[in-house]
Amino acid sequence: QVQLQESGPGLVKPSETLSLTCTVSGGSISSYYWSWIRQPPGKGLEWIGYIYYSGSTNYNPSLKSRVTISVDTSKNQFSLKLSSVTAADTAVYYCARHRVVVAATPVGYFQHWGQGTLVTVSS
Amino acid sequence: SYELTQPPSVSVSPGQTARITCSGDALPKQYAYWYQQKPGQAPVLVIYKDSERPSGIPERFSGSSSGTTVTLTISGVQAEDEADYYCQSADSSGTYGVFGGGTKLTVL
Repeated sequence: QVQLQESGPGLVKPSETLSLTCTVSGGSISSYYWSWIRQPPGKGLEWIGYIYYSGSTNYNPSLKSRVTISVDTSKNQFSLKLSSVTAADTAVYYCARHRVVVAATPVGYFQHWGQGTLVTVSS
Repeated sequence: SYELTQPPSVSVSPGQTARITCSGDALPKQYAYWYQQKPGQAPVLVIYKDSERPSGIPERFSGSSSGTTVTLTISGVQAEDEADYYCQSADSSGTYGVFGGGTKLTVL
């Protein structure tokens, strides 16, 4: 059974860059789409963006100017960088693996999730 | 940007039927998915492709679709069903993921 684990600093200063890594175990990162999703405390889920194992990406238009998602197939990991963070970026960040239902729609649904990691933006 | 609209809250008594709606202009073109999230936990898929139920999900969970609205129905609600429920889909091009704002189901 595939497992995902987020890791990275739990505290980031305003205006700095948030960096998280998702490590995939129990399966290969190849041939799948992978997403980052976040949830501010007490609020709803927000899709941040996805990456295919080959490196192609797509980002939420509302975050696109600040987001970079990358993949390292040799380590079975993918990563998130979110620049110029503010308190509004404080959230639990989840990584997830897609299940593609329609080939032309890579979003599909999020079949496997990490447990999530809380990142607080504060000085 | 594309949005999915859910009611913020739904309340039902045990044994009754709960219905949670999700509206979006692209839903006639894109499948909808439903997740259950309990406090401190990651979301769990309860319905996929509008109305399919994953293995391990109780039969009381069902989904339907009509035009620009999809509905999650929980028949014979139990106390353990109290949770937040989110619909999820994609924009009309299938390029971007989107979640509804979430519905808090309260079992009275």
